[in-house]
Amino acid sequence: GQQLNQSPQSMFIQEGEDVSMNCTSSSIFNTWLWYKQDPGEGPVLLIALYKAGELTSNGRLTAQFGITRKDSFLNISASIPSDVGIYFCAGVSYSSGSARQLTFGSGTQLTVLP
Amino acid sequence: NAGVTQTPKFQVLKTGQSMTLQCAQDMNHNSMYWYRQDPGMGLRLIYYSASEGTTDKGEVPNGYNVSRLNKREFSLRLESAAPSQTSVYFCASSEIRWRDRGQYEQFFGPGTRLTVL
Repeated sequence: GQQLNQSPQSMFIQEGEDVSMNCTSSSIFNTWLWYKQDPGEGPVLLIALYKAGELTSNGRLTAQFGITRKDSFLNISASIPSDVGIYFCAGVSYSSGSARQLTFGSGTQLTVLP
Repeated sequence: NAGVTQTPKFQVLKTGQSMTLQCAQDMNHNSMYWYRQDPGMGLRLIYYSASEGTTDKGEVPNGYNVSRLNKREFSLRLESAAPSQTSVYFCASSEIRWRDRGQYEQFFGPGTRLTVL
């Protein structure tokens, strides 16, 4: 099946620093999504990317859909303590019907030090 | 709106016991999904239902069954639990929203933490 390689696995940064993480795949995806998961909660969608080369921002978050459609990155600027959590990338493959299957990366655990 | 709700939040089973995880969504979405999350492995799709009345296997369906009871509810059943099924289980729902291009989001519930001894 399709696989996503997400890196880094974990990051420890100082408050105020910028963060960058990325996902790569051997397969092409039609859509890239970035989710954040807080402890004890389900993932919450941060940014969705639908077109190769697309660059989208959501506050301090910026994500890009790679031109080859096989990669995506997420940047967080000026990190704050509430940015702590696990960040997941997900690629979307279009299947029959209205359901869309997501392939998730293994996650990046972000810790922000005061 | 509650979004996606799951019950129970926690469960401990003995090997061989059975149980059903319940999921409901109030967003009138057509598609629903069950995932499991294991440390260092992200989320893996167990089963999904594109619409009421249909279900399909995902990446890791062995040992599970599902029922799409109606448009709102999608349950996951473990007939004979095994320690390898110790995991956090997430239900999600989605609907295609078409604007000038196809858009897609999945909304997740809070999860069920299952331990099989």
